Amino acid sequence: GENVEQHPSTLSVQEGDSAVIKCTYSDSASNYFPWYKQELGKRPQLIIDIRSNVGEKKDQRIAVTLNKTAKHFSLHITETQPEDSAVYFCAASGGGTALIFGKGTTLSVSS
Amino acid sequence: KAGVTQTPRYLIKTRGQQVTLSCSPISGHRSVSWYQQTPGQGLQFLFEYFSETQRNKGNFPGRFSGRQFSNSRSEMNVSTLELGDSALYLCASSQGTGGTEAFFGQGTRLTVV
Repeated sequence: GENVEQHPSTLSVQEGDSAVIKCTYSDSASNYFPWYKQELGKRPQLIIDIRSNVGEKKDQRIAVTLNKTAKHFSLHITETQPEDSAVYFCAASGGGTALIFGKGTTLSVSS
Repeated sequence: KAGVTQTPRYLIKTRGQQVTLSCSPISGHRSVSWYQQTPGQGLQFLFEYFSETQRNKGNFPGRFSGRQFSNSRSEMNVSTLELGDSALYLCASSQGTGGTEAFFGQGTRLTVV
């Protein structure tokens, strides 16, 4: 079955810096790659997603890139702010709606 | 539009007991997936239901089961509870086709003592 690896597990940046989180997946049939943000005590919420027919997608300060050949995708957050501090999860899906998640990255943005 | 609702929010059970958790999806959504969240293992996929049929299952023992009703509401059941089953159980609903956003409920916090 699908396996998703996520790195790093923790990431500390200064406000205004960029943050990059990387994920790799194993199943070449996966075609949907969402990123979720989970604040402490809250439910995960989708922040951006990308499908396998697209190489890059951007939404304001957040961007995701996908390399199907290498089976990896990355989340880029520019101009980080303290409210970006949270746990970020990448996921992969090959059909249906089941999501296989990476183990998460705890992002801390200090002002 | 109401969001995904999970009940109960908190549960304390004793080892060996069984438990049933409930998930009401967003109106119009036909797919419900369940996940176990623990500090060490992150979010692990349990199972996925679409139109009352289990469409996919994760790598969990047979003590974990689920079902979906005709109104798309879903339940999951854990029998013979073990201490290691203590976790936050999250359900997510989506329209049912692949590549669409999954909306999470607030979760049920299960503690096994």
